Amino acid sequence: GNSVTQMEGPVTLSEEAFLTINCTYTATGYPSLFWYVQYPGEGLQLLLKATKADDKGSNKGFEATYRKETTSFHLEKGSVQVSDSAVYFCALSNAGGTSYGKLTFGQGTILTVHP
Amino acid sequence: EPEVTQTPSHQVTQMGQEVILRCVPISNHLYFYWYRQILGQKVEFLVSFYNNEISEKSEIFDDQFSVERPDGSNFTLKIRSTKLEDSAMYFCASSDYGLYEQYFGPGTRLTVT
Repeated sequence: GNSVTQMEGPVTLSEEAFLTINCTYTATGYPSLFWYVQYPGEGLQLLLKATKADDKGSNKGFEATYRKETTSFHLEKGSVQVSDSAVYFCALSNAGGTSYGKLTFGQGTILTVHP
Repeated sequence: EPEVTQTPSHQVTQMGQEVILRCVPISNHLYFYWYRQILGQKVEFLVSFYNNEISEKSEIFDDQFSVERPDGSNFTLKIRSTKLEDSAMYFCASSDYGLYEQYFGPGTRLTVT
């Protein structure tokens, strides 16, 4: 079946530091890949997505590239802010056939950014 | 901006009681989902719903669970006889025909005592 593995957290950084959160996946076929973010006390928000190999998703300074050869979708940001403190979830969807877009999530990575 | 809403935000119930968690998906969306997150664990898929019927469900979604879209706006998850291990955050999500982007509600925290 499908699975997603994220780097162990939590991750603590100083403001303006470079961020990488690793994500690798196992799936059949050609999944779509997502990063969701959960701010304290809120629900999951879609941060970015990529639907095919070599696609780069980007939003709010975050980027991730769909690498089929390494089955990875690492999240990066060049300069983090305190407001980026949140839990980040990598996820995949294998919609099509009998699947109606079920998302499979990684375990989540807690990011804390200090001033 | 349209959003998914869920009520209540927190529900406390006793073991063996029935609970209904409510969701109002985004109005033009056609696909609806429930997920849950036990504290400290992954977000897990429970069920997807399309065209007024369940389209896919996980092994977690046993006979104690049911979903319904009773009118044109609400989407509910019912747990018939709650167990301690049902304590979790339950998220509703919806998506449009494209299937690939799901929009999540803020969640209902269910505590079973």
